[in-house]
Amino acid sequence: NAGVTQTPKFQVLKTGQSMTLQCAQDMNHEYMSWYRQDPGMGLRLIHYSVGAGITDQGEVPNGYNVSRSTTEDFPLRLLSAAPSQTSVYFCASSWSSPNTEAFFGQGTRLTVV
Amino acid sequence: LAKTTQPISMDSYEGQEVNITCSHNNIATNDYITWYQQFPSQGPRFIIQGYKTKVTNEVASLFIPADRKSSTLSLPRVSLSDTAVYYCLPAKDTGRRALTFGSGTRLQVQP
Repeated sequence: NAGVTQTPKFQVLKTGQSMTLQCAQDMNHEYMSWYRQDPGMGLRLIHYSVGAGITDQGEVPNGYNVSRSTTEDFPLRLLSAAPSQTSVYFCASSWSSPNTEAFFGQGTRLTVV
Repeated sequence: LAKTTQPISMDSYEGQEVNITCSHNNIATNDYITWYQQFPSQGPRFIIQGYKTKVTNEVASLFIPADRKSSTLSLPRVSLSDTAVYYCLPAKDTGRRALTFGSGTRLQVQP
């Protein structure tokens, strides 16, 4: 049981490049979400999903796209990377609602130069 | 969404009990109170959750008074490994299906 797996762990992008951050969970959780965490700050919600085919925007969705074609996977796409997107990105999943324990991945540290 | 207020930082020594209080004045009736712990370079980890009164597990205790406008996370006999950021989050059973994090409390445990 791997829990929540994020890939890659580290990534450097040039301004304007696009990429996809991968997130997979093997716990059959309905809820998945993406957060970003800037240095010394709390986590901010980017996008979330309550099930396959259903996604919604969080607090800071601009510049990011998501899709949820399967229960297991919830990729985050950066359309045209900007230095302001330099951050650590965390993916999380939970069983049914935020009232239940959420499991987080180890994070992807992204630097945009 | 309920707004939470926590101390920005706290210092303690090994072996002491640490109490971190979170204020959530406009918490909704169906909100639970959940606490997460985050070590540097790691994702947050669930510690404890409660609705009212007292909840205890192997890691911590959570005290929620009757008016539910605040909650206190209690860490008994902290060690150096408890140095982390602690987040208090109201979590709804309906509505937005994701967690909203504040800035948290940075706990530094010294020898």
